[in-house]
Amino acid sequence: GAGVSQSPSNKVTEKGKDVELRCDPISGHTALYWYRQRLGQGLEFLIYFQGNSAPDKSGLPSDRFSAERTGESVSTLTIQRTQQEDSAVYLCASSLGDRDLTGGYTFGSGTRLTVV
Amino acid sequence: AQTVTQSQPEMSVQEAETVTLSCTYDTSESDYYLFWYKQPPSRQMILVIRQEAYKQQNATENRFSVNFQKAAKSFSLKISDSQLGDAAMYFCAYRSARGAQKLVFGQGTRLTINP
Repeated sequence: GAGVSQSPSNKVTEKGKDVELRCDPISGHTALYWYRQRLGQGLEFLIYFQGNSAPDKSGLPSDRFSAERTGESVSTLTIQRTQQEDSAVYLCASSLGDRDLTGGYTFGSGTRLTVV
Repeated sequence: AQTVTQSQPEMSVQEAETVTLSCTYDTSESDYYLFWYKQPPSRQMILVIRQEAYKQQNATENRFSVNFQKAAKSFSLKISDSQLGDAAMYFCAYRSARGAQKLVFGQGTRLTINP
């Protein structure tokens, strides 16, 4: 598509429930990134996919968080047994990865997750 | 690990005036990229300007320019002729030129434009 698409744009869930957030990258972008942004804070790296390489999961805050991506297509970020501290905007970005030497990311508009 | 620090949580400027946003970073690498992103209320992160560390010349994009001081690890953003549409959160970010491509972000500066 023309841009990075994320769905849903807003999600309210009850504490303890599982949620799935979806990211559709720009066609042809081999790299995909997930970030978390708490209210009034900067962006916190979660996970990074590059083609068929093993993902860099070093930013995932706990084993309740996981993400999948098949090939160079859609990615889903799953949060199990949600807690109130998981409330944040989850941003996805994509890039040309190893073929992009300038670090140019394109971001989606994010999913605002509220855990009540 | 690399860190990025923005020491100004909020800044304000009169319309048509010039404002400078500060950013410092810490790294042991010599080859990297630096960025300024703008985030309006729509949440979309918009790339404002980028700088390659190996370039001595400061990057410029229309009303936006940077002052890149590599030895001091400083990367400030100057906005000239401020416009109401410039009001947003501004984030400074670092990316290594090798290996992991993840961006490391500062905490952001909220810029208000006074008419």
